[in-house]
Amino acid sequence: EAQVTQNPRYLITVTGKKLTVTCSQNMNHEYMSWYRQDPGLGLRQIYYSMNVEVTDKGDVPEGYKVSRKEKRNFPLILESPSPNQTSLYFCASSLSGGEKLFFGSGTQLSVL
Amino acid sequence: AQKITQTQPGMFVQEKEAVTLDCTYDTSDPSYGLFWYKQPSSGEMIFLIYQGSYDQQNATEGRYSLNFQKARKSANLVISASQLGDSAMYFCAMRDQKYNFNKFYFGSGTKLNVKP
Repeated sequence: EAQVTQNPRYLITVTGKKLTVTCSQNMNHEYMSWYRQDPGLGLRQIYYSMNVEVTDKGDVPEGYKVSRKEKRNFPLILESPSPNQTSLYFCASSLSGGEKLFFGSGTQLSVL
Repeated sequence: AQKITQTQPGMFVQEKEAVTLDCTYDTSDPSYGLFWYKQPSSGEMIFLIYQGSYDQQNATEGRYSLNFQKARKSANLVISASQLGDSAMYFCAMRDQKYNFNKFYFGSGTKLNVKP
């Protein structure tokens, strides 16, 4: 089944403790991206990747890192999480930058 | 400036009636794409419909249609014959030519409640 898999689904952590949210797609998509969803703000793009080893900042990249060492994987790294990063996070992929996005099921992150 | 504006935070519609969800966008690029996504209470994001800026006709997908008014920069979603399962959050989104279509912009969403 074609899908974007995010893990974990829920995560509670404390300020400053490094964490990684994994994202993997099995559709051979070139484009992958991360979003955070906050009430009243919709989804905002954090980072995107056009292909292996090619990444760029979205609109809210501060406090986040990404890497794209393999085509299928695009992890989101919070090196020193803070409470203002408490949010619902989505990974998404598409065949290329212009195509419709396929979303993962989301990761609800709480930073205490 | 907001790239995507959804001015209706919440809406109610009677089952079996049609409903229009508003979306306006802001871009100076001639080439862009507009998307609508549905987010049920379970949280997943479901693609509904796509309209390209050069498409001559309004996009339709089953009960969903996109009322594309280029001069007004609006891309309203029309849901015909609403069903209880249409109760969800709806997001309008755009990607444009700037940044080679790699940036996606989402609106703040409209929460639709369908009443039996």
